[in-house]
Amino acid sequence: RKEVEQDPGPFNVPEGATVAFNCTYSNSASQSFFWYRQDCRKEPKLLMSVYSSGNEDGRFTAQLNRASQYISLLIRDSKLSDSATYLCVVNIPGGFKTIFGAGTRLFVKA
Amino acid sequence: GAVVSQHPSWVICKSGTSVKIECRSLDFQATTMFWYRQFPKQSLMLMATSNEGSKATYEQGVEKDKFLINHASLTLSTLTVTSAHPEDSSFYICSAETGGAKSFFGQGTRLTVV
Repeated sequence: RKEVEQDPGPFNVPEGATVAFNCTYSNSASQSFFWYRQDCRKEPKLLMSVYSSGNEDGRFTAQLNRASQYISLLIRDSKLSDSATYLCVVNIPGGFKTIFGAGTRLFVKA
Repeated sequence: GAVVSQHPSWVICKSGTSVKIECRSLDFQATTMFWYRQFPKQSLMLMATSNEGSKATYEQGVEKDKFLINHASLTLSTLTVTSAHPEDSSFYICSAETGGAKSFFGQGTRLTVV
């Protein structure tokens, strides 16, 4: 089993749609969780951290369920500019081990 | 957020030559940096962890004699691809983590070996 697994994608959605990505992690010692966005041929960029209480940043909402070892990202009112690959990232302390999921590709169409 | 600068952003070299890629943390000190490789339409693959003042830690399957890593200061790590071959053509990205375990990436280097 992979340490971090994500929905395979790609997701093809129309503008204005709501889309959700899921991610599961295997190591219960994981402490920090993030979503990154990577545009084609560019470096990943931090989208948002994920907190136990859930957090929202504009159209983006992230949730963490430690019991199920599950993270989600919800994008509301999708824009064309949201088209990218979204990476789920998990950090295990004590060794600076950061693990990236394989990413989920999102295509938002007009 | 923290700034990590990577140079060069792209390079084309001949088979058999060596290429050096630099990764600098501009506004913070990074005792640890990471080097990744990414092939088209594939995920990031961690190659090695670069530790300031000591030897790098390489992931399984990564040749340490081919991918030389030097982390001579708290703000600079270099990756040298030695005797490059076409199969080494890839997107190489460095990152550094801040105290909050957030990763900040360099802009990446697109290496093409001809």
